[in-house]
Amino acid sequence: GAGVSQSPSNKVTEKGKDVELRCDPISGHTALYWYRQSLGQGLEFLIYFQGNSAPDKSGLPSDRFSAERTGGSVSTLTIQRTQQEDSAVYLCASSPEGLRLSYEQYFGPGTRLTVT
Amino acid sequence: AQSVTQLDSHVSVSEGTPVLLRCNYSSSYSPSLFWYVQHPNKGLQLLLKYTSAATLVKGINGFEAEFKKSETSFHLTKPSAHMSDAAEYFCVVSGGSSASKIIFGSGTRLSIRP
Repeated sequence: GAGVSQSPSNKVTEKGKDVELRCDPISGHTALYWYRQSLGQGLEFLIYFQGNSAPDKSGLPSDRFSAERTGGSVSTLTIQRTQQEDSAVYLCASSPEGLRLSYEQYFGPGTRLTVT
Repeated sequence: AQSVTQLDSHVSVSEGTPVLLRCNYSSSYSPSLFWYVQHPNKGLQLLLKYTSAATLVKGINGFEAEFKKSETSFHLTKPSAHMSDAAEYFCVVSGGSSASKIIFGSGTRLSIRP
């Protein structure tokens, strides 16, 4: 069946530009997570959605970062006025039936963002 | 507070020899523990998980891990390495009631020598 998809797979942008990253979770998965993976680092939690609401935004590094989810499905992560330190791979994951921390997460292939 | 430490950033073994990837955790809760694998340019895939049932957990591709509460460890093992096992491996601890309490280790890169 279809897994988690993310687009674009690669994005090169100039410093100061805005970017939008898209995540399509597995159909029926109510929980959705965004992570950032920098070179040689583990995954850094950004934001969690339960349905269309985001009860945990504690990982967003600055007010330049925002995210939304519509229809309990697609999510968009927006980075405004990009900086070079935003360069990373942005991963999206989904899991079924809300926040049960024993559930596994299903990950997309990621979007590699390069800010020049 | 929760934390996870992967003790080796890089492990190299010969094909056919055992694999050991080490993970230690700290948690104020009864944790769930996971190992994920990431092949180049691919998303993370679950290898196995521990959620307070049997302490010896078997996963895909011949991997297994043992939850040792007294040692706060959850090491990943495989009896015989295969070339296709070359990848990045992440140990994950989760607990509490917040998504931000899902903590990923920094990863261990596994290389397999022919």
